[in-house]
Amino acid sequence: GAGVSQSPSNKVTEKGKDVELRCDPISGHTALYWYRQSLGQGLEFLIYFQGNSAPDKSGLPSDRFSAERTGGSVSTLTIQRTQQEDSAVYLCASSLFSHNYEQYFGPGTRLTVT
Amino acid sequence: AQRVTQPEKLLSVFKGAPVELKCNYSYSGSPELFWYVQYSRQRLQLLLRHISRESIKGFTADLNKGETSFHLKKPFAQEEDSAMYYCALLRGSTLGRLYFGRGTQLTVWP
Repeated sequence: GAGVSQSPSNKVTEKGKDVELRCDPISGHTALYWYRQSLGQGLEFLIYFQGNSAPDKSGLPSDRFSAERTGGSVSTLTIQRTQQEDSAVYLCASSLFSHNYEQYFGPGTRLTVT
Repeated sequence: AQRVTQPEKLLSVFKGAPVELKCNYSYSGSPELFWYVQYSRQRLQLLLRHISRESIKGFTADLNKGETSFHLKKPFAQEEDSAMYYCALLRGSTLGRLYFGRGTQLTVWP
């Protein structure tokens, strides 16, 4: 079956512009996660959705970052007024449920802010 | 605070040699530990988890609560093991959220 998909695969934007990154999780997976992979920083948790519960936004680095998940499926991560330090690979993952279930990762979106 | 530490950024071994990728964690509760792997130009994927107590691709990892470690080991490394390896921690208090280490790039030379 299809895995987690993300779009776009690459995004180059100018500093100050807004960007939207999309994630399509595996069908039937109730949990969805966003992580950021920066050079030398490893994988940094951003936000996590579980079913209809309020999302865990504790990893969002600033109020310029927001995310939503519509209909319990597709998720969009929005970064407003992008800064150069936002340049990274943004990874989305989904799992059947949350606790202790394998997280399946998408291919990532490489964001470059010039 | 760094909850998962992988002290080696880079690790190189020759084919057939034993390999150990170190991982230490910080958590006072009952941790659940995972190893994820990312091969070149592929997605991040789960390699193994401690509760399964299984060997995947010849790799094993034992949770040592006394030393707060979850080192990944393989007795005879293969060239196809070359990849980036991430240790990850799941804390009971933050369901679903994984805390990752910064990763170890393993290179296995022929």
